[in-house]
Amino acid sequence: QVQLQESGPGLVKPSQTLSLTCTVSGGSIRRADYYWTWIRQPPGKGLEWIGNIYSSGSTYYNPSLRGRISISVDTSKSQFSLKLSSVTAADTAVYYCANFFGVVIQYWGQGILVTVSS
Amino acid sequence: QSVLTQPPSASGTPGQRVTISCSGSSSNIGSNVVNWYQHLPGTAPKLLIYSNNERPSGVPDRFSGSKSGASASLAISGLRSEDEADYFCAAWDDSLNGPVFGGGTKLTVL
Repeated sequence: QVQLQESGPGLVKPSQTLSLTCTVSGGSIRRADYYWTWIRQPPGKGLEWIGNIYSSGSTYYNPSLRGRISISVDTSKSQFSLKLSSVTAADTAVYYCANFFGVVIQYWGQGILVTVSS
Repeated sequence: QSVLTQPPSASGTPGQRVTISCSGSSSNIGSNVVNWYQHLPGTAPKLLIYSNNERPSGVPDRFSGSKSGASASLAISGLRSEDEADYFCAAWDDSLNGPVFGGGTKLTVL
């Protein structure tokens, strides 16, 4: 089965860019019927979808975050990445990467806590 | 505030049947399938039910799902101590053009 693992800094300063990477194993990141997603959960709050990247390389982002997000894929490394710019304390959250199969989020990473603080 | 509404907590004794509700709207549950996840803190959420009532391979048939209109339910029968976890629902939202989620229900096995 597909396994996903998030990695990146656990602490980011306000106004800087949050950068996370998700490494995919146990399945091909090039698989045409999968697409890849980032989701986050601020402390004490619900899950929020951030955006998707498709096997074609096209992306779709949550309108509430559009303008600050960039999701990209590196098929040679079996990784996809998230960049979120101009972060504030409101961006403090556990960030999850996952894969979609159709409209089902099939597999998730265990999540990584990113704190925005000076 | 989550788009899909779940009760924050549920409980039952071993062997009992418990249900967890998930309420949405016409743009999500009302027009798309519902998926359920089991989540233990610090671990990856696990897909429990997909397409309203289908179980992935390896999920016991004690877990079942249903949907009616813009609401859905997860039922767990023959409750076991290892079922103690957070459970959340998810569905595609046609307005957002992305997934929306329930706030999660913490299940306690007494």
